[in-house]
Amino acid sequence: EAGVTQFPSHSVIEKGQTVTLRCDPISGHDNLYWYRRVMGKEIKFLLHFVKESKQDESGMPNNRFLAERTGGTYSTLKVQPAELEDSGVYFCASSQLGAGGSYEQYFGPGTRLTVT
Amino acid sequence: DAKTTQPPSMDCAEGRAANLPCNHSTISGNEYVYWYRQIHSQGPQYIIHGLKNNETNEMASLIITEDRKSSTLILPHATLRDTAVYYCIVRVKEGGGNKLTFGTGTQLKVEL
Repeated sequence: EAGVTQFPSHSVIEKGQTVTLRCDPISGHDNLYWYRRVMGKEIKFLLHFVKESKQDESGMPNNRFLAERTGGTYSTLKVQPAELEDSGVYFCASSQLGAGGSYEQYFGPGTRLTVT
Repeated sequence: DAKTTQPPSMDCAEGRAANLPCNHSTISGNEYVYWYRQIHSQGPQYIIHGLKNNETNEMASLIITEDRKSSTLILPHATLRDTAVYYCIVRVKEGGGNKLTFGTGTQLKVEL
């Protein structure tokens, strides 16, 4: 079974540009999460999808960040325009939904974003 | 979610048991203890979780005190590949929909 995949693995952009990160969850996982770690800080939650609906977006830092999950499969996280403080590693995770599942979250390898 | 406290770092000799402590004195009755680890430059990896009974799987054992205010993750025979940051997280297990709140974790270094 394929794990959570993320693309790209590394992105370098200039301040003011736009970047779109993609996450493909484990097949059949309705829960999808985005987290990030900025330099020197702890891993922080950004938002949570259940299928195509945003369940919790309390961690989104500001309106420069837009997450979508059309069709309830893969998700994208767009940063527009990117700022220097957005540099960090962005993780995606997925988990099962419903009774009987163990609910642990499986993480992807992350996308390292560098804004110069 | 309840707050957890972990030592910032620990060392362990390869082949020996690594015992990683975690304090969660404000844990609620419906909150579980989860352990994840992050090996350098990889995504966090689930290890184990428990409510009040001790748990064991192929990766580790989890010992939870009777009052549930602390727990210990045990890696029975640590290897160099177990060098990672280990996170103890307390959360309610309800339908898989709860976010994980990561602290600073414990940096475990396994050495020869």
